[in-house]
Formats: sequence, C-alpha cells, structure tokens
Amino acid sequence: QVQLVQSGAEEKKPGSSVKVSCKTSGGTFNSYAVSWVRQAPGQGLEWMGGILPMFGTANYAQKFQSRVTITADRSTSTAYMELSSLRSDDTALYYCARGAMYGSYNYYMDVWGEGTTVTVSS
Amino acid sequence: EIVVTQSPGTMSLSPGERATLSCRASQNLSSRYLAWYQQKPGQAPRLLIYGASKRATGIPDRFSGSGSGTDFTLTISRLEPEDFAVYYCQQYGSSRLTFGGGTKVESK
Repeated sequence: QVQLVQSGAEEKKPGSSVKVSCKTSGGTFNSYAVSWVRQAPGQGLEWMGGILPMFGTANYAQKFQSRVTITADRSTSTAYMELSSLRSDDTALYYCARGAMYGSYNYYMDVWGEGTTVTVSS
Repeated sequence: EIVVTQSPGTMSLSPGERATLSCRASQNLSSRYLAWYQQKPGQAPRLLIYGASKRATGIPDRFSGSGSGTDFTLTISRLEPEDFAVYYCQQYGSSRLTFGGGTKVESK
C-alpha cells in the first residue's frame, strides 16, 4: 500500500529556512497531489499548500504564499516543503499527505506521513 | 478562501451515546466536496468520510456523514471508547483547501 516517509526532526534559528522531504512508496507518485499540513502544539490542522507532480505546479494557502515553496522530484518520488524566514510560531509538526483524487488540485487526503517536528528557537 | 467552521469546540459524552458534529462552509461546496478526519493524540489524522457521506476503507458503519451546500454533519451513532478523539472537517470545493478548527469528543 501507499506509504509516505518524512525526513527527521529539525531545529532552526529564527530567520533561517527549513526543507522537509516526503518520499512516496507503493503507489503512483505522479498522478496524485501531495499536500503539506502543519499542526502547532495543541492546535488544529492548517493546510499550507500542495503540488501535483504530473504538472509540477504547486498551489498555496494565502497565509503562506510568500514564504513557502513546494517542489516534487519525480525521479525519486519525493516531495519537498521549504519554509523561509522562520519565526518561533512556525514551531509545529509538519505532515505531508496524499491527495486521493487522480490528477486534481481539489482533493481529500487518504494517506498521511508520520510528521516532522520543526522547532524554531534562538 | 473558503472558511470552515466547526461546532461545538468540545463535547462531553458517554460511551454508547450519539455524537453529532457540525461543519459549516462560508461558500457552497459543489459536488459535496467535504471530508472528515479523526485524530488521536500522537497520531496523524485518519480519513473517515469523503464526498460528505462516503465512508473511507475500513471505517465502521457507526460513522456517517450527511449534508450539502454549506452545512454538513458527522454522526457517530454509538460512541465506542476508541472514538474519543478530535474530529476535523476539510473542504476541497476550492483548490485552496481549508480545515475547520476541530471538535474534541471527550469522555464524560
């Protein structure tokens, strides 16, 4: 079955950038979107953006538009999320998740990664 | 951006009781593009319902979804001990996806 495996925890300084990876195995990478969803401690789920590897085009939540870049490497079935200008309130658990609708930017998410903790502290 | 609002924020119920969770979108969701997830502490969210009323693979039939337009409901017919968790709805009527703030179902 499809699995998403994320990179390990990160500790960053304010103002720096972080890049988190998400490798898909057991399924067709190109045809289904990969989203990034974050969850601050004790808070709810927040969609940051997603990419459809077959087109290589990402779309972003308005809140993150200026600071996040989502890319996909079709040769390794890996999606990446880079967040820049980090602040302390970016401290959160970052999940990747697979979109369940073929070739669509409108989707629900049926498979989730285990999450990557990003801690931003001076 | 479509705003999704869930209510109540928290509900306290006993095992065997019925839970009714509400989700409201700020715009009409075409094709009933609304999903529900369950999240337990320390775990990733799990898909329960998509298309407003379709159960995901392996989800027990005590979970049901209904609604259309802007108003949607998740019902858990008889709460089992493992159902105490936080539930989120998510709209995908717009390609800028959004989640509701969540409803915590706690044991009374």
